[in-house]
Amino acid sequence: EVQLVESGGGLVQPGKSLRLSCAASGFTFDDHAIHWVRQAPGKGPEWVSGISWNSGRITYVDSVMGRFTISRDNAKNTVYLQMKSLRADDTAMYYCAKDRAAGGDGWYVDHWGRGTLVIVSS
Amino acid sequence: DIQMTQSPSSLSASVGDRVTITCQASHDIGNHLNWYQQKPGKAPKVLIYDASNFEAGVPSRFSGSGSGTDFTFTISSLQPEDFGIYYCQQYDNLRFSFGQGTKLELK
Repeated sequence: EVQLVESGGGLVQPGKSLRLSCAASGFTFDDHAIHWVRQAPGKGPEWVSGISWNSGRITYVDSVMGRFTISRDNAKNTVYLQMKSLRADDTAMYYCAKDRAAGGDGWYVDHWGRGTLVIVSS
Repeated sequence: DIQMTQSPSSLSASVGDRVTITCQASHDIGNHLNWYQQKPGKAPKVLIYDASNFEAGVPSRFSGSGSGTDFTFTISSLQPEDFGIYYCQQYDNLRFSFGQGTKLELK
């Protein structure tokens, strides 16, 4: 069974940093791209970042470029999202999402984690 | 970023109705368009990929069409379990973007 388990969320002040982790199991981890997708309360999903199977392609939504860094450790079956200079509008549930494809264009999300909540507030 | 404009934002329909949702991309995306259904408290679930292909196990009353910038998602005969929010999603060079969503309510 595919499992994606996020951790690292919490309450953080504006301007501070946080690192999210996503531990994956139940599939061949290095065969798939992984994404972070966030969803604010009552809003639709917003794609945040993607990383190909071998970290050869890394992408971000414009609003987090230069502040967030995605990485993966295929030996540990884990993906990370380092978030710096956090703002109130980064407040959301952050989901780790497995791509059906290995990389390239990406494709679609076929499995989601349960999410980890990030609240940016003073 | 490629912007996705989805309409309507909400609609109310009866069991047995035919329902259509549209999604327009700001740039030509070929057939790189997927459709998801989200129920309250759950993650989105893909129904249609590459504009018109069924994900395994998806009922045949769901369908998709289109290419380039204009796409359509149709439920041919609405069932009570079809309530929820529907999103389109494009993919391009490992970048995604989602439409704003269509909230489907049952009359």
